[in-house]
Amino acid sequence: AQKITQTQPGMFVQEKEAVTLDCTYDTSDPSYGLFWYKQPSSGEMIFLIYQGSYDQQNATEGRYSLNFQKARKSANLVISASQLGDSAMYFCAMREGGYTGTASKLTFGTGTRLQVTL
Amino acid sequence: DTEVTQTPKHLVMGMTNKKSLKCEQHMGHRAMYWYKQKAKKPPELMFVYSYEKLSINESVPSRFSPECPNSSLLNLHLHALQPEDSALYLCASSPPWGPGANVLTFGAGSRLTVL
Repeated sequence: AQKITQTQPGMFVQEKEAVTLDCTYDTSDPSYGLFWYKQPSSGEMIFLIYQGSYDQQNATEGRYSLNFQKARKSANLVISASQLGDSAMYFCAMREGGYTGTASKLTFGTGTRLQVTL
Repeated sequence: DTEVTQTPKHLVMGMTNKKSLKCEQHMGHRAMYWYKQKAKKPPELMFVYSYEKLSINESVPSRFSPECPNSSLLNLHLHALQPEDSALYLCASSPPWGPGANVLTFGAGSRLTVL
């Protein structure tokens, strides 16, 4: 079974508009972490935002916010005021289990390609 | 200095060649990772080193051989690869504690083509 599901292979958004990228996850572990990464065509994976399973508030980082709905097991990324430079592939990822201070094993979803248009 | 540097950026090799991919970070991170990413697919974990010791090997074929000579360097030695091994190889690192703990910082990748 898929642990991380991204159902939108591609999305279009107009510049300056907001867009939501969907991510659902599946785990029976009460402790886990959820991440969003951006991958431009250059290939580098750029960290955007992190949400821990015990965090009470939704994470925000500048124009990025994570809409965390624990009961629904969803962790959608909201990008406000889209810019042309936001055009890229976006991956949702999960770390199962609590962080132990060593390594963080991430499982990635299949990604959503976002295209920002004028 | 907040970078993970990977060399070479591009590598073309034959199936009988021996080559290496190199990854370097100077952020004091103590976990380092190799991921493989095929075109239009998500990254897949290959190896994890924690405090210079191999902690995770995701059943990777032995033609891929990782090495972590010190806390800043991670190598991936390649030998007798197959054309299906052609992919983007991403290195990442993460700090053990403090701000950003458990968040992976990735390099730009090494794009490997096996002929």
